[in-house]
Amino acid sequence: QVQLQESGPGLVKPSETLSLTCKLSGDSISHFYWTWFRQPPGKGLEYIGYIHNDGRTNYNPSLQSRVTLSVDTSTHEFSLKVSSMTAADTAVYYCARAQPRSYDFYLGHVDLWGQGRQVTVSP
Amino acid sequence: IQMTQSPSSLSASVGDRVTITCRSFQGISDFLSWYQQKPGQAPKLLIYEASRLQSGVPRRFRGSGSDPDYTLTIDGVQPEDFATYYCQQNYGTPPTFGPGTTVDIK
Repeated sequence: QVQLQESGPGLVKPSETLSLTCKLSGDSISHFYWTWFRQPPGKGLEYIGYIHNDGRTNYNPSLQSRVTLSVDTSTHEFSLKVSSMTAADTAVYYCARAQPRSYDFYLGHVDLWGQGRQVTVSP
Repeated sequence: IQMTQSPSSLSASVGDRVTITCRSFQGISDFLSWYQQKPGQAPKLLIYEASRLQSGVPRRFRGSGSDPDYTLTIDGVQPEDFATYYCQQNYGTPPTFGPGTTVDIK
């Protein structure tokens, strides 16, 4: 069974950098878009960015200056770093797998999600 | 690309037909997905490319529509279907979600 599992701190201090890792089990990191989303308490879903196993990345312009994504195909893991965290970054962070679109192989629908990691920014 | 959903919430009885609408502010060429999210859980993919049913999803879930209006229909809502539903476009970057529609029990 293919699964994704996030790991990382649940509490981050303001101005610090958040580092989360997502471990893929049951499959290899290939030919998919490895993405991150977040969901603030009681709110909707926000796209953070993706990294493809070929190294291509894409970031939400609203977060681009603070976000870095990386992938390690040997360990089947991909990672998220968000710098200069503030209270507004408090959210559940999800890692996910997106399929390539059937027409042109760009970023498609998300068919596999991790369970989510609650991250709180507080002194 | 901004996405809207209507209604924001609705109440339904088991067995009812439920319809949720999603509108895109610009053309998205049917690159539209629907997700179901229950409290404390990750979203779950139901429909992609406007009308394609994800493997393992019950056939009572149906996606339809074309630019700019898309619809998710649940034919005979079941107790396990009470949740929040989000549409998402993946035509433009960044991919964006609608604000969600909460379906609860009448």
